[in-house]
Amino acid sequence: KQEVTQIPAALSVPEGENLVLNCSFTDSAIYNLQWFRQDPGKGLTSLLLIQSSQREQTSGRLNASLDKSSGRSTLYIAASQPGDSATYLCAADQGGSEKLVFGKGTKLTVNP
Amino acid sequence: AAGVIQSPRHLIKEKRETATLKCYPIPRHDTVYWYQQGPGQDPQFLISFYEKMQSDKGSIPDRFSAQQFSDYHSELNMSSLELGDSALYFCASSLGLGEQFFGPGTRLTVL
Repeated sequence: KQEVTQIPAALSVPEGENLVLNCSFTDSAIYNLQWFRQDPGKGLTSLLLIQSSQREQTSGRLNASLDKSSGRSTLYIAASQPGDSATYLCAADQGGSEKLVFGKGTKLTVNP
Repeated sequence: AAGVIQSPRHLIKEKRETATLKCYPIPRHDTVYWYQQGPGQDPQFLISFYEKMQSDKGSIPDRFSAQQFSDYHSELNMSSLELGDSALYFCASSLGLGEQFFGPGTRLTVL
């Protein structure tokens, strides 16, 4: 059974700082790992998808890496902005199934 | 670009009533997923459909049922509603095992 853990649960940083969010998963037989952003009471916005054959993906100021063997992924946010404040969720599928198993998220606050 | 459409966006029901949530996937996507997110919780997988056939099932109560229709839209039917069913219900769609795109969600409140 896939289990996803995110550390830290909350993070507060000053504007402009680079930061790293961590995600670990127990079942390394994944097809995909996705990072999402969720604003309070809102939907899930997909940020990056990393397929099992890939080691990293980049989109603008975001870079996500994947190490299947160690069951870890990181989301790197460069030059953080107050608009980046949200909860960031990591989700991995479960080997043999396309359903996503989510971590409990990291609540990020970027202070002006 | 077209996104996943969910309706209604908000729904208020009494205990023991029935609710039907609808999901319209991104055009040409062949897989639909339903997730439930309780207050302060992470989303939990309920059920999925691939090409109109149920493909996987998670922790979905027996009071809930779902189907995918010939036009690929999906409906989640929830009966005998309980207070604990109050949550955000997300539909997502994908093309095969690709990236899952989520709809805005339906917020269900059971009084």
